[in-house]
Amino acid sequence: GESVGLHLPTLSVQEGDNSIINCAYSNSASDYFIWYKQESGKGPQFIIDIRSNMDKRQGQRVTVLLNKTVKHLSLQIAATQPGDSAVYFCAETGGLSGGYNKLIFGAGTRLAVHP
Amino acid sequence: EAGVTQFPSHSVIEKGQTVTLRCDPISGHDNLYWYRRVMGKEIKFLLHFVKESKQDESGMPNNRFLAERTGGTYSTLKVQPAELEDSGVYFCASSLQQGSTEAFFGQGTRLTVV
Repeated sequence: GESVGLHLPTLSVQEGDNSIINCAYSNSASDYFIWYKQESGKGPQFIIDIRSNMDKRQGQRVTVLLNKTVKHLSLQIAATQPGDSAVYFCAETGGLSGGYNKLIFGAGTRLAVHP
Repeated sequence: EAGVTQFPSHSVIEKGQTVTLRCDPISGHDNLYWYRRVMGKEIKFLLHFVKESKQDESGMPNNRFLAERTGGTYSTLKVQPAELEDSGVYFCASSLQQGSTEAFFGQGTRLTVV
């Protein structure tokens, strides 16, 4: 069935460096791909999304890249700060076959920012 | 504006007992979702309400799980009888529009079945 997975379970970076979190997906029919951030003791929080007909979208300090050829999604965080330490989940909407109204999550990557 | 709130934050019950989780969505959000994350696995969709109606319950694992949203406001998720494999974190989320990529999640209820 359709699935969204992650290449790396943990990522350690130095404060001030750029971070890149990667994700692979298998459902080409998804309309949107999304990144969520989950801090300890909290629920997932929306960061940014990208529509399937785009290949790049920028937000505040974050950029999401979508490569449909290899079914790869990435989240780039510029000038990583201690407050960015969290688990990051990629997700997709179900699309035509999976249902537009639910999110399909990957396993998560833990980002640890060191001073 | 208050966010999505879930009660309780933690629950420890014995196998075979019943537990009821509650979710209060953001006021005005017609769409309410339940998700869960069992140990070491992905966050999985359980079901979706639009107001008081179940729009999609394809993720409900079995008939031991019952979700309700009477009156279209808060929702409850009851597990009866609970099994060991039901342990995990149960998240509730709400959104203003159907199909929105931005769902607002509660802090979750950590359920431990012993």
